[in-house]
Amino acid sequence: AQSVTQLGSHVSVSEGALVLLRCNYSSSVPPYLFWYVQYPNQGLQLLLKYTSAATLVKGINGFEAEFKKSETSFHLTKPSAHMSDAAEYFCAVSKAGQGAQKLVFGQGTRLTINP
Amino acid sequence: GAVVSQHPSWVICKSGTSVKIECRSLDFQATTMFWYRQFPKQSLMLMATSNEGSKATYEQGVEKDKFLINHASLTLSTLTVTSAHPEDSSFYICSARDTKGLSTEAFFGQGTRLTVV
Repeated sequence: AQSVTQLGSHVSVSEGALVLLRCNYSSSVPPYLFWYVQYPNQGLQLLLKYTSAATLVKGINGFEAEFKKSETSFHLTKPSAHMSDAAEYFCAVSKAGQGAQKLVFGQGTRLTINP
Repeated sequence: GAVVSQHPSWVICKSGTSVKIECRSLDFQATTMFWYRQFPKQSLMLMATSNEGSKATYEQGVEKDKFLINHASLTLSTLTVTSAHPEDSSFYICSARDTKGLSTEAFFGQGTRLTVV
């Protein structure tokens, strides 16, 4: 079985500060890992994904994440927060490979940006 | 990226009535779509996997007779909440994967907020 744990249901940073959202996964098989962002009353938008290529993955809006197998982590970072980054962020895992795998989501982290 | 359109974006219905939510992949074919439910301030919980031309696969604890799923074509899946009750009020989100090639990304609809009164 696969699972995802996001440490911190709520993270608050100042505008311009570093953003760090934590995600740890559990998987008995090689995983694919994803970070999604959700704005109020909207669906999910993919920020970035790890699919067993480069361990440092760059995504949209200046976000990046690093896959660390030894730590079973896939933390999301952004060097400088912007007000528009305020949203809910979800880490998700699926089995690697082709096919219609199900996504298992973490609990979500609400990011607040202080002016 | 590919577009998944979900309709309606919000709906209010009376207890005991049924509501149909549509999920369409606009520019790609999806043999498999997924339906999620999201309670306020919570994560997404997979309800079922919708397979084109066959029966949906429901997750444990999800009533298949209450949440009817039909995936009649490669671009459309529908979720019908039958005999809705206030506890069914939630945010429902669908996702679809482009089943051609080696796509690893699931694209999400914008969600449907269902309120049962």
